[in-house]
Amino acid sequence: GAVVSQHPSRVICKSGTSVKIECRSLDFQATTMFWYRQFPKKSLMLMATSNEGSKATYEQGVEKDKFLINHASLTLSTLTVTSAHPEDSSFYICSARVGGPNSPLHFGNGTRLTVT
Amino acid sequence: GENVEQHPSTLSVQEGDSAVIKCTYSDSASNYFPWYKQELGKRPQLIIDIRSNVGEKKDQRIAVTLNKTAKHFSLHITETQPEDSAVYFCAALSGEGGSQGNLIFGKGTKLSVKP
Repeated sequence: GAVVSQHPSRVICKSGTSVKIECRSLDFQATTMFWYRQFPKKSLMLMATSNEGSKATYEQGVEKDKFLINHASLTLSTLTVTSAHPEDSSFYICSARVGGPNSPLHFGNGTRLTVT
Repeated sequence: GENVEQHPSTLSVQEGDSAVIKCTYSDSASNYFPWYKQELGKRPQLIIDIRSNVGEKKDQRIAVTLNKTAKHFSLHITETQPEDSAVYFCAALSGEGGSQGNLIFGKGTKLSVKP
């Protein structure tokens, strides 16, 4: 149980375009999902907390107008990287948990974004 | 807010030896500490977790200890095998501030087990 599916796994786009990444909880409902960014050989950096039916909560230093998050249902959150630039190239991973804060996070497979 | 420090950043052991990774945290309100294993290009996988009402938890070759007074917790892997080679992340659940309820990760430890 507790499967999180993330698509696409890889995407290459040109500078200035937008890219949408989907995160789905397949066998449970997730009122809260989390979006992380991971640079090569680095740790997971929390970008934002996605809340179903309300605005996302962004971490300090993350541009909310650049990284648009929508959590329209209990099983789907999307991250849209708008007007992408090469420095946005990274590994983006979503996660969700079953239950309250003291329960494990289950991660999606991640999306490797390359902006040319 | 919570700050998690993890050491060492790299660790190389011989197959069969034990490996220990240590983490410290700053938020005394934190009460949940998971450990994740991430193989190259793959998602982090939970391997063990501990809550603040216990001091030690064991699952086969993996064990985690928690010292709430000193605010540190450690991962112990015994009888290491080559397939244990991966990057390991500790994390602590932030108990206060803007990140309350969020997991804060350490910087990771790259473990290499030599056959």
